[in-house]
Amino acid sequence: EIVLTQSPATLSLSPGERASLSCRASHDIGSQLAWYQLEPGQSPRLLIFGATNRATGIPARFSGSGSGTDFILTISSLEPQDFTVYYCHQGSSWPLSFGGGTKVEIK
Amino acid sequence: EVQLLESGGRLIQPGGSLRLSCAASEVTFSNYAFTWVRQAPGKGLEWVASISAIGAPTNYAPSVRGRFTISRDNFRETLYLQMNSLRAEDTALYYCTKGINAYIESAVFDSWGQGTVVTVSS
Repeated sequence: EIVLTQSPATLSLSPGERASLSCRASHDIGSQLAWYQLEPGQSPRLLIFGATNRATGIPARFSGSGSGTDFILTISSLEPQDFTVYYCHQGSSWPLSFGGGTKVEIK
Repeated sequence: EVQLLESGGRLIQPGGSLRLSCAASEVTFSNYAFTWVRQAPGKGLEWVASISAIGAPTNYAPSVRGRFTISRDNFRETLYLQMNSLRAEDTALYYCTKGINAYIESAVFDSWGQGTVVTVSS
């Protein structure tokens, strides 16, 4: 089973700052990693798939990088609506798994 | 825009059974794999089960294998989750999600419903 470890658990930043969220896999997952955003009271939203591909309609300030075991979600300049929780997810092997999440909060 | 509407969640006693449904619209349902994902109170997301566009193959999380069954009716454009032998740890918000193609191996979920709440308690 592949375990995804997200860090930090909480990231305290100000609007306009750059956010870097980490996701580390316990085994090589190639580029089979996606990122989802979960706002309170909303359904999760796909941001990035295949480690680096932005989903349809996702603003350019969101970008993904990495391969193998280490991945990064970058938000280049935080907007007010970006302060919420983010999850990484691996689709490389069964059982599928999610990371524990990173909460981006206003400093 | 794809619409996924889950239903069937409620309060149920441990050991009981429940069937969740997910009605899809604005999508060619039979072209896509679908997956159930859940979120327990105060916890993160957890993959539950996936089904391919044609109904097989399917796959399950170890925590639900043998108790839950995922199925679909492509004519009615509806996804189901039959949940048996329910436990307190199955308490969660259950999301229906659409895959990006017909295959469960792709494992990317580009549309999500609002979820339906299952509470297992005596």
